[in-house]
Amino acid sequence: DTEVTQTPKHLVMGMTNKKSLKCEQHMGHRAMYWYKQKAKKPPELMFVYSYEKLSINESVPSRFSPECPNSSLLNLHLHALQPEDSALYLCASSPGTSVSTDTQYFGPGTRLTVL
Amino acid sequence: AQTVTQSQPEMSVQEAETVTLSCTYDTSESDYYLFWYKQPPSRQMILVIRQEAYKQQNATENRFSVNFQKAAKSFSLKISDSQLGDAAMYFCAKYNNNDMRFGAGTRLTVKP
Repeated sequence: DTEVTQTPKHLVMGMTNKKSLKCEQHMGHRAMYWYKQKAKKPPELMFVYSYEKLSINESVPSRFSPECPNSSLLNLHLHALQPEDSALYLCASSPGTSVSTDTQYFGPGTRLTVL
Repeated sequence: AQTVTQSQPEMSVQEAETVTLSCTYDTSESDYYLFWYKQPPSRQMILVIRQEAYKQQNATENRFSVNFQKAAKSFSLKISDSQLGDAAMYFCAKYNNNDMRFGAGTRLTVKP
């Protein structure tokens, strides 16, 4: 298995809902990433997990809560989101933990709409 | 904020021709890393090429090469022998000190 998978592909939620995005990779990668990409904008790094520990948190609001239950799985828990949080959420993984030298492999993304 | 600027929102190239995408960046650091990513319409981002700032030699990957001008803070991507499958959004990115920044992107169209 040489890909990063993300579920669901699309998600519509209300501002009071609680939902989760899921990302999986079975390539034995040791780092996993969450990015947010608004329409016609570049991706913005949100979180980095290295060896299942949060290593980078780019000042993301607490309504986004990442979780890395094991080395293959990365979740993003969503609660009390705002309409401006609507975006494509991209997950990536890399073999090692160096953002600079390790190639990141991206998933197809989850398109989130907050009503 | 240390920014990455792509001044060409859209570019087009004839199949088999060569095209150059521009990227400039702002940094006060001497050690950093630069990337070009490709995002096809399917949305799956792919790393095209990487350049370490401490290396003077320009990186190349098959038909893709960069022109890295450190003093000018410029990092352009040259695509030779353009193919229809090269059509995508191309993002320039810079990483240093746990900070990853992307440019706004250049949409490349390849004409048959």
